[in-house]
Amino acid sequence: QVQLVESGGGLVKPGGSLRLSCAASGFTFGDYYMTWVRQAPGKGLEWISYITGAGGTIHYADSVKGRFTISRVNAKDSLYLQMTGLTPDDTAVYYCSRGGGDSDFDYWGQGTLVTVSS
Amino acid sequence: SYVLTQSPSVSVAPGQTARITCGGNNIGVKSVHWYQQKPGQAPALVVFDDSDRPSGIPERFSGSNSGNTATLTITRVEAGDEADYYCQVWDNSGDHPSYVFGTGTKVTVL
Repeated sequence: QVQLVESGGGLVKPGGSLRLSCAASGFTFGDYYMTWVRQAPGKGLEWISYITGAGGTIHYADSVKGRFTISRVNAKDSLYLQMTGLTPDDTAVYYCSRGGGDSDFDYWGQGTLVTVSS
Repeated sequence: SYVLTQSPSVSVAPGQTARITCGGNNIGVKSVHWYQQKPGQAPALVVFDDSDRPSGIPERFSGSNSGNTATLTITRVEAGDEADYYCQVWDNSGDHPSYVFGTGTKVTVL
């Protein structure tokens, strides 16, 4: 069965950096677009970034462009999100999900909490 | 940028029908996907491409999309349907594509 497991969240000071990981299993990872979505406490869902299966096309939301970098290593069935220049507004649960392009997000991980605070 | 508007809350008695709307400019030409999120859990896809259901989703969940409004309908509502529901579309009308989520609707089962 499809599984997505995020890790790497935690408490970080404003201006700091963090790298999130998402380990995938149960499907041919390299065949799928992958996406990061976040949810601030008590708020709705916000798309962050997606990457195509081979990694050749990447897009970011304006709110994170220039600060976050999405990447993947298909040989390791893993998706990453490198976050720099973090601000309190980046405090959220970060979810990885399978899907992108013009399709839905059909599987989601359980999320990892990132808290940006001094 | 493209905006999706949902009513903040819907209350429904068990066994009745809940209708959750998602408004967007000419949304009828886009594919709309719907997610259910129960407290403390990740979102889960319940309807994709306007009206299709993933395997395992009951027939009680259905979707439609036309004009400026997409609708998720839950018939014979059960206590377990209490959750937040989000619509979502892919917007490729600008310089770069983006994914837009609705503001979310909290469904309360009375």
